[in-house]
Amino acid sequence: EVALVESGGGLVKPGGSLRLSCAASEFSFTLYTMNWVRQAPGKGLEWVGSISSNSEHVFYAASVRGRFTISRDNAGNALTLQMDSLRGEDTGVYHCARKFFDPTGGHWFFDLWGPGTPVSVSS
Amino acid sequence: EIVLTQSPGTLSLSPGERATLSCRASQVVKSDSLTWYQQKPGQAPRLLIYGGSTRAAGIPDRFSGSGSGTDFTLTISRLEPEDSAVYHCQQYGYSPLTFGGGTKVEIE
Repeated sequence: EVALVESGGGLVKPGGSLRLSCAASEFSFTLYTMNWVRQAPGKGLEWVGSISSNSEHVFYAASVRGRFTISRDNAGNALTLQMDSLRGEDTGVYHCARKFFDPTGGHWFFDLWGPGTPVSVSS
Repeated sequence: EIVLTQSPGTLSLSPGERATLSCRASQVVKSDSLTWYQQKPGQAPRLLIYGGSTRAAGIPDRFSGSGSGTDFTLTISRLEPEDSAVYHCQQYGYSPLTFGGGTKVEIE
């Protein structure tokens, strides 16, 4: 089954670090730009960052730039989010999402999401 | 950064009724860069509408997207019990891509 599954979430103290993983299955992972999107409790979705298929282009939201690092292992079909200097406002559920480009209409969208892994930053 | 404001925050309706969900942008957004997702509790978001008005594969025709400029609408023509969920709008016409705060649809 085509799927994304996140892991690595948990409870961490402010200032601490956490490493999230996203395992991709049953699709050609190497062809897609991948993203991280988070959702704080009671809030809407927030884009965290993206990485192109060959890792050449990596982009971050201003709120995490300099603290978070996105990487990927195409041979292992895995996406990673290294989170350092964590803050309370980083608490939430973190989803990985596949970006799909529709060439007929020139649109793109997130067509496959993982169920998410929860991160709680608290002392 | 473009701010998307969704309203109402919660919509409580009965099966068979029509639901109208609003997504208002802080500045003009290209309609074909507007996307809608459905998210049920504990589940991953699911793509509903892309390009402003195109239904994703497998999405029933009771779901429709419309709008232009700064005002966009997701309409569910005849609510089914399984439509109970939070609905998110998203734009990617301007960087960074942004999401709205979501509208929760409750089916009474």
